[in-house]
Amino acid sequence: DQQVKQNSPSLSVQEGRISILNCDYTNSMFDYFLWYKKYPAEGPTFLISISSIKDKNEDGRFTVFLNKSAKHLSLHIVPSQPGDSAVYFCAASATGGTSYGKLTFGQGTILTVHP
Amino acid sequence: NAGVTQTPKFRILKIGQSMTLQCTQDMNHNYMYWYRQDPGMGLKLIYYSVGAGITDKGEVPNGYNVSRSTTEDFPLRLELAAPSQTSVYFCASSSGHPANNQPQHFGDGTRLSIL
Repeated sequence: DQQVKQNSPSLSVQEGRISILNCDYTNSMFDYFLWYKKYPAEGPTFLISISSIKDKNEDGRFTVFLNKSAKHLSLHIVPSQPGDSAVYFCAASATGGTSYGKLTFGQGTILTVHP
Repeated sequence: NAGVTQTPKFRILKIGQSMTLQCTQDMNHNYMYWYRQDPGMGLKLIYYSVGAGITDKGEVPNGYNVSRSTTEDFPLRLELAAPSQTSVYFCASSSGHPANNQPQHFGDGTRLSIL
């Protein structure tokens, strides 16, 4: 039962263009969402997050959009740079109860930005 | 700036052997987590701890054990290694829930092969 899904295993984008990575979730208890970036042979690093009370959060070149009714979020990177080439993981958490910050991850999307 | 340190980085085990994956953090974080990542898949939570002396099962705990005797250390034990445990293991820590702007910080992983 995959509660967080990233249906695109890979994405290829030209430098300077926009990268859009998508994520869908099924558990309506999820109310906090994060994106992590991972380079080979390294651990994931936190990129940006969004609470369910918002529909958009922006940090420099990175913007995350949340559509609660569709249970869908997306990460926009503008403009894309070759150094953005990495695996991007979407993760979700429920703030209530005994979640203790536990994260449920999607499968990841490999982003390749070509010079 | 050590953050989360995992040892070893690589290990090959024979079926039936046991080993302990070490994880230590120097950020005085209360929450610690163990994940595994199989090829093409997202990270799955094995065990987590909300403080010294307190541990609980995650999504895929079978075949593993943990202990948390100090705030800094959270070792993961494999008692009888099986080929299905071939994976990359990540340890993470956080000071609280990500919704409180306290995302998880990850180590660089331990790549484990069981033959």
